[in-house]
Amino acid sequence: EADIYQTPRYLVIGTGKKITLECSQTMGHDKMYWYQQDPGMELHLIHYSYGVNSTEKGDLSSESTVSRIRTEHFPLTLESARPSHTSQYLCASKFEGFNEKLFFGSGTQLSVL
Amino acid sequence: DQQVKQNSPSLSVQEGRISILNCDYTNSMFDYFLWYKKYPAEGPTFLISISSIKDKNEDGRFTVFLNKSAKHLSLHIVPSQPGDSAVYFCAASPSGFNKFYFGSGTKLNVKP
Repeated sequence: EADIYQTPRYLVIGTGKKITLECSQTMGHDKMYWYQQDPGMELHLIHYSYGVNSTEKGDLSSESTVSRIRTEHFPLTLESARPSHTSQYLCASKFEGFNEKLFFGSGTQLSVL
Repeated sequence: DQQVKQNSPSLSVQEGRISILNCDYTNSMFDYFLWYKKYPAEGPTFLISISSIKDKNEDGRFTVFLNKSAKHLSLHIVPSQPGDSAVYFCAASPSGFNKFYFGSGTKLNVKP
């Protein structure tokens, strides 16, 4: 049902590396989100975008950055990964309007050694 | 300060029985509520939702109940099946905003 894609699914990298997590959706959604989730914890909103060239930080402080140059694409970048960044990163999008559900991608499981 | 709380980290039920998952919220501005199912290392998938103008919504084996005065909602799964074993997240969105707040999840185990 959901046409929202994340790559890579799994990523293991060393400390200090720069990484970009990709997220694309083909539904034409204006609203896109990045959540971070650790086992047994709630999903924390780290970034969101309501349209092209619009990005905002979420409720959980994050050292990552995002960009929204095209409607369908919402990548997340970590300039210098650290072990504390180890987590699952989930991208989501939704239709315009309220009372509309979020569609999630499959997530990226990031491990920083 | 967590605005959506799922106080039961886990729940185990027998196949064929009812599963009841609970969720409490503190923000009276929330007017749209959702339940998601999640498997490890995968993204959440949408199950069912309810707006604050209703107190019940059904979809097949899944029913969500909303008690606004108690700021409480629950998800009922009847009958439970082994394939329902997963983590279930409750989420809420405030009126006029396009943001969602999630609980910490309840891990459901349905035993054959």
